[in-house]
Amino acid sequence: DAKTTQPTSMDCAEGRAANLPCNHSTISGNEYVYWYRQIHSQGPQYIIHGLKNNETNEMASLIITEDRKSSTLILPHATLRDTAVYYCIASNFGNEKLTFGTGTRLTIIP
Amino acid sequence: GAGVSQTPSNKVTEKGKYVELRCDPISGHTALYWYRQSLGQGPEFLIYFQGTGAADDSGLPNDRFFAVRPEGSVSTLKIQRTERGDSAVYLCASSSTYTDTQYFGPGTRLTVL
Repeated sequence: DAKTTQPTSMDCAEGRAANLPCNHSTISGNEYVYWYRQIHSQGPQYIIHGLKNNETNEMASLIITEDRKSSTLILPHATLRDTAVYYCIASNFGNEKLTFGTGTRLTIIP
Repeated sequence: GAGVSQTPSNKVTEKGKYVELRCDPISGHTALYWYRQSLGQGPEFLIYFQGTGAADDSGLPNDRFFAVRPEGSVSTLKIQRTERGDSAVYLCASSSTYTDTQYFGPGTRLTVL
């Protein structure tokens, strides 16, 4: 899996959009970008994944740059329940191993 | 429907003892994964099952660690002669054959005194 780099921590005001960046400059052509999050004392939760097109689901949007070297996860209207550690992972589709880094600790401020 | 469940939620043991950690995957999921998470770190891959067989056990740290999945559903992670360094949260995940989305359980917090 390609290495990913994320900021250690971020704050966002409740109700605002949270934009979490991820750098994956060595990503290969067949590697997807996955995002998981982990709320305190729970297991990781899948959020979204994409290859090169932007993706949106009920939880978030994923914006991948045209050169695929970086991406941004967007939580459009952050709530206090979105406080968690967010992990960006570059991995082949169907790859059985997920290689987690240390992620970004996102704190939503009331 | 029911998610991945893990038992026990917490396990405290003494150095040198044997422990078993259980994972019940989502019904019908053929793939099962074990990860270990130390404090302040992301989860680290241990082993992956496809059906009953271990398809990749490259993440097991040493031969004190062993996992089984005899009927292709429930899995047990076994740790012999536990050491204080084994203290961590052990996470289990499962996925269906045709998607790669891994669904995680809540984990078992193992403390070795």
